[in-house]
Amino acid sequence: GDSVTQTEGQVALSEEDFLTIHCNYSASGYPTLFWYVQYPGEGPQLLFRASRDKEKGSSRGFEATYDKGTTSFHLRKASVQESDSAVYYCAQHTGYQNFYFGKGTSLTVIP
Amino acid sequence: EAAVTQSPRNKVTVTGGNVTLSCRQTNSHNYMYWYRQDTGHGLRLIHYSYGAGNLQIGDVPDGYKATRTTQEDFFLLLELASPSQTSLYFCASSDAGGAQAEQFFGPGTRLTVL
Repeated sequence: GDSVTQTEGQVALSEEDFLTIHCNYSASGYPTLFWYVQYPGEGPQLLFRASRDKEKGSSRGFEATYDKGTTSFHLRKASVQESDSAVYYCAQHTGYQNFYFGKGTSLTVIP
Repeated sequence: EAAVTQSPRNKVTVTGGNVTLSCRQTNSHNYMYWYRQDTGHGLRLIHYSYGAGNLQIGDVPDGYKATRTTQEDFFLLLELASPSQTSLYFCASSDAGGAQAEQFFGPGTRLTVL
């Protein structure tokens, strides 16, 4: 069935480190892929999305490229800051089915 | 800017209790959703609706009822609450059900069932 698998649990980095959070999807159709970010005490909010193969989504220095061949949408940032500490969710939606969210990855950036 | 509000923000009840969680959106969105968020499970869809009077079942509906009374208001009902329903609940809305649709989330309701 449709699902999203992402780097699970907690990731701890130092400021200016490179970030990669892996996301792979399984879909019966051609999904739109999303990255959401959730700051403490808030609901998730959209970081960016991509809807076509090879399309790059980006926002606030984060980016991910839709790869239909490897069914992936990995989140990357070249230099993380303490303010990036949050939980990150990868999600997919095909338009006629539910949204599917990954289990979330908690990022802690140590100053 | 999308606005989704939830009430109450925190709720404590006892096993067997009756709980109603409320959600209101002021964006004229058609779709509304209820999720629960648990460590190790992420966000899981309970129920959703694409308009007043409509209700669709999500992935984890057991033990929950929902009702969409107006375009703005979506309620989640726990008629016999159990400790397994202790969780952080989020409501969300979106403009349409299409694949591009962005979901706008409320601030969450933390429910504790003793």
